[in-house]
Order: sequence, then structure tokens, then C-alpha cells
Amino acid sequence: GAVVSQHPSRVICKSGTSVKIECRSLDFQATTMFWYRQFPKQSLMLMATSNEGSKATYEQGVEKDKFLINHASLTLSTLTVTSAHPEDSSFYICSAVDRGVSDGYTFGSGTRLTVV
Amino acid sequence: GESVGLHLPTLSVQEGDNSIINCAYSNSASDYFIWYKQESGKGPQFIIDIRSNMDKRQGQRVTVLLNKTVKHLSLQIAATQPGDSAVYFCAETSTGGGNKLTFGTGTQLKVEL
Repeated sequence: GAVVSQHPSRVICKSGTSVKIECRSLDFQATTMFWYRQFPKQSLMLMATSNEGSKATYEQGVEKDKFLINHASLTLSTLTVTSAHPEDSSFYICSAVDRGVSDGYTFGSGTRLTVV
Repeated sequence: GESVGLHLPTLSVQEGDNSIINCAYSNSASDYFIWYKQESGKGPQFIIDIRSNMDKRQGQRVTVLLNKTVKHLSLQIAATQPGDSAVYFCAETSTGGGNKLTFGTGTQLKVEL
């Protein structure tokens, strides 16, 4: 079946530094990828929609200059958290659209970001 | 704005009993619904989906019911097992796949031995 690989699974960084998270579709081409953020005991909140070869579409309230998204190929999207602060600590999850699977959405395993 | 929500934040059931997890949605344009299971520290795992032209769909030990009149859907798990313990989310989108999903608030299912 469709597999989405997300790396790293865990990362700890110092406040003020930047962190890059990768999301790869391993056996299919994903023209669209989604990035979610999830705080403890809360739901997944969509941050942005990433389309290959074009600028990402951000949800209301998400700072595009802080959360940089690049979708340069059909199998890779990256999320860079710039100038990270402790309040950015969260679980980040990507999802890639594969129209070949039943529901079309395949999720990565998530990245636990801790900013100290 | 439009949202998808759940009635019960925590559901405790005895092993072997049936579980029912509910979800209310408010977007009348929603026509595709998915139930996901999420274990701690992992991404969501697809369980079952249903389109708006159906009111019931069955899988292995799971059944999803959709009531468009009251904008409500439910997930029924038969013979609940300890491995079913997780957080369950409903999600909706306004077209059949490819568009962004809106997730409900989630229900923590705890299976007691």
C-alpha cells in the first residue's frame, strides 16, 4: 500500500534555531500534501496545503514566513519551522494524496518537535 | 467557521463489548467522511470511510453510520479489544478525496479488561 515517510520522528532544538521536517511519498506521486499540527490531547489542525511546483496555501492564522513549505517534487515536501520558540513545540504530521488508495489520504508517522 | 465535533471526549468499555463513537459535523457541503484511529505518538490510521450517498458501511468489526438529516455519523466497533484503545477522529471533506480534511475533536477509547 501507499507509504509516506516522515523524518525526523523526534527533534529537540534550541529556541531561535530552524528545523526542517521531510515528508516523502515512497511508492506514489503526490501532487498534493498537507501539513498538520497537533497539540497534546487535541485534534489535528491543518496548517497548509502544499501543491507540487506552486506556493503553499496556508490556513488562517498560520504564519507563512515562520512555517516555510517547499514541495519541489512529486514525492517530497518539507516544512521548515524558522526561529523556533517553545510555543512551536508540537506534533507535526504530513499527509499525501494518493488517488490509488481507498480514501486517498496517507499520513506520515509524525514529528515530535520540542523547542528548549 | 465550519467544524466537525465529537460528543464524548473519553469512552471506556469492557473488553468484548461493542463501542459507539459519535461525531457531529456542521458543513452541509460535506460529502465524504473518514474515521481514523490514532495511537500515541503515531500518525492517523485509516479505519473506514463513507460517502454521502450512503447511510451505512461495514468493514471488519467496524460499521460507520451516516445521518445527513442531523449531520451526524458514528463508528461502531464490535467486540472491542484492548488493541482498539486509541483516539478516534472523524474527518470530513467536501469532495471525494484530494481536498483538505477537517478533523473532529477526537474521542479517547479505553478498553478495560
